[in-house]
Amino acid sequence: GDSVTQMEGPVTLSEEAFLTINCTYTATGYPSLFWYVQYPGEGLQLLLKATKADDKGSNKGFEATYRKETTSFHLEKGSVQVSDSAVYFCALYHRGSNYKLTFGKGTLLTVNP
Amino acid sequence: EAQVTQNPRYLITVTGKKLTVTCSQNMNHEYMSWYRQDPGLGLRQIYYSMNVEVTDKGDVPEGYKVSRKEKRNFPLILESPSPNQTSLYFCASSSGRDRGSDTQYFGPGTRLTVL
Repeated sequence: GDSVTQMEGPVTLSEEAFLTINCTYTATGYPSLFWYVQYPGEGLQLLLKATKADDKGSNKGFEATYRKETTSFHLEKGSVQVSDSAVYFCALYHRGSNYKLTFGKGTLLTVNP
Repeated sequence: EAQVTQNPRYLITVTGKKLTVTCSQNMNHEYMSWYRQDPGLGLRQIYYSMNVEVTDKGDVPEGYKVSRKEKRNFPLILESPSPNQTSLYFCASSSGRDRGSDTQYFGPGTRLTVL
């Protein structure tokens, strides 16, 4: 079955540091890949997505590239801010999955001033 | 404003006392789903619905019921809650127009504690 593996953290960084959160997946066919973010006390928000190989999703300074050869979708940001502190979830979704997003376990990011 | 709403946001109850968590979306989405979030397990799908009167089980349906009598509403029913259903619950919806890349929109979550 489908699965998503992401670094579980927690990850603690200083403001303006470079961020990478690794995500790899196992799935049949050609899934779409997503990063969702959950700020404290809130629901999940879509951060970015990519629907085919070599696509790059980007939003709010975050980027991730769909690498089919390595089955990866690593999240990166060049300079994190305190306001980026949240839990980040990698997820996949494909036709025939009955609209189910398969999530990784989440990575808690804390950014200190 | 496009949104998914859930009520209540927080609920503490006792074993065996039936409860309903409501979910409503104002985007005319066809697809709706319930997930539960548990530490170390991420989010897991409980039930989903592809349209009015069409529902099916997700990965962890035991102990839950749902109904979809109107397009905008998708309540989650716990007929006899047990402590292992203590969790954070999320409702989600999507248009269903593109099953390959639909963005799912999530509600704010309902934190349920069953004593």
